[in-house]
Amino acid sequence: GAVVSQHPSRVICKSGTSVKIECRSLDFQATTMFWYRQFPKKSLMLMATSNEGSKATYEQGVEKDKFLINHASLTLSTLTVTSAHPEDSSFYICSAREQSGRGTQYFGPGTRLLVL
Amino acid sequence: GEDVEQSLFLSVREGDSSVINCTYTDSSSTYLYWYKQEPGAGLQLLTYIFSNMDMKQDQRLTVLLNKKDKHLSLRIADTQTGDSAIYFCADVEGNTPLVFGKGTRLSVIA
Repeated sequence: GAVVSQHPSRVICKSGTSVKIECRSLDFQATTMFWYRQFPKKSLMLMATSNEGSKATYEQGVEKDKFLINHASLTLSTLTVTSAHPEDSSFYICSAREQSGRGTQYFGPGTRLLVL
Repeated sequence: GEDVEQSLFLSVREGDSSVINCTYTDSSSTYLYWYKQEPGAGLQLLTYIFSNMDMKQDQRLTVLLNKKDKHLSLRIADTQTGDSAIYFCADVEGNTPLVFGKGTRLSVIA
């Protein structure tokens, strides 16, 4: 089946620093990628939708200047958490929608961010 | 907006069948999905059903869709301890993002 990778899987950083998370579709092309945030024992919260070559669409309440998304190719999207604060600590999961067929969304393994 | 509801917890004995239920509100859904999330991991696509189908079977998994009542269920036959996880149902219309339920935590008792 389709595989989506995320890197890093886990990151600890100091407050005020920026962290970049990469999401790659390994064996398919993804015109659209999604970034989610998941709090402990909660469902996934959609943060933004990114389409290759265009600006991301952010959900209400998500600061676009804080969570920078770049979708430079059909297989790579990045999320940069700028000037991270402890409240940004969370589990971030990306998803890639296959370009062909049913357009199924496949999910990455997630990145656990801890901001000290 | 679109809403997807699931019961939060389910506990079954090993070897029994598990049935996880889901209701949704969007009558224009094209596909409905079941995803599995193990602790600390991303979501794994388990199965999906097209909205014009009413049943799909895939090995131990059976998906039932009642489009009139907007009710979706996932039955896991011969539930094993490795099936313990959170199960999310999700629906999608066209190219819009998936809309997820809150997830059902399945606990399998040996």
